[in-house]
Amino acid sequence: GAGVSQTPSNKVTEKGKYVELRCDPISGHTALYWYRQSLGQGPEFLIYFQGTGAADDSGLPNDRFFAVRPEGSVSTLKIQRTERGDSAVYLCASSLTYGSRFGTDTQYFGPGTRLTVL
Amino acid sequence: KQEVTQIPAALSVPEGENLVLNCSFTDSAIYNLQWFRQDPGKGLTSLLLIQSSQREQTSGRLNASLDKSSGRSTLYIAASQPGDSATYLCAVRRSEYGNKLVFGAGTILRVKS
Repeated sequence: GAGVSQTPSNKVTEKGKYVELRCDPISGHTALYWYRQSLGQGPEFLIYFQGTGAADDSGLPNDRFFAVRPEGSVSTLKIQRTERGDSAVYLCASSLTYGSRFGTDTQYFGPGTRLTVL
Repeated sequence: KQEVTQIPAALSVPEGENLVLNCSFTDSAIYNLQWFRQDPGKGLTSLLLIQSSQREQTSGRLNASLDKSSGRSTLYIAASQPGDSATYLCAVRRSEYGNKLVFGAGTILRVKS
């Protein structure tokens, strides 16, 4: 079946611009996660959604970053007034549930969006 | 705050060698530990998951061990192949009721033919 998809695969923008990154989770997955991976580093947690609500946004670096999931499926990560330090690969993952001992919370990752801020 | 460290940062071996990748974490109160593989331009693929109550997990040529009390895990790859070349990441999950993963920086593995 279809996995997690992310668009665009690459995004180049200029400092100060606004960008939106999209994530299409696996159909039926209620939990959705955003991570950011800088060059040479592991992914860092940004935010996760349970359904339509952001249940934990403790990883968002500042108020320039915002994410939505209005219908509990597709999510958009929005970055305002981009800075060069925002350049990274943004990864999205989804799981059937959030927090379970039965394996239904296994996270499946998308290929990522590589964001370059010039 | 949980911190995950992976050693070495990069490794280059000839085909056929057995190798060990190391992962250490600062807070032993984990729910499980997971090893992922990441290929360039692709997402993460889960290789092995070890629950905190387990000591090891095996899948084919891969074996992962966990020593929770000392905060260490190893990934053993037997008879390495060029197709094993990738970045290997370990990640810990703190709680049964939270699915936030904390990742190490990864080990870049190159297997030469």
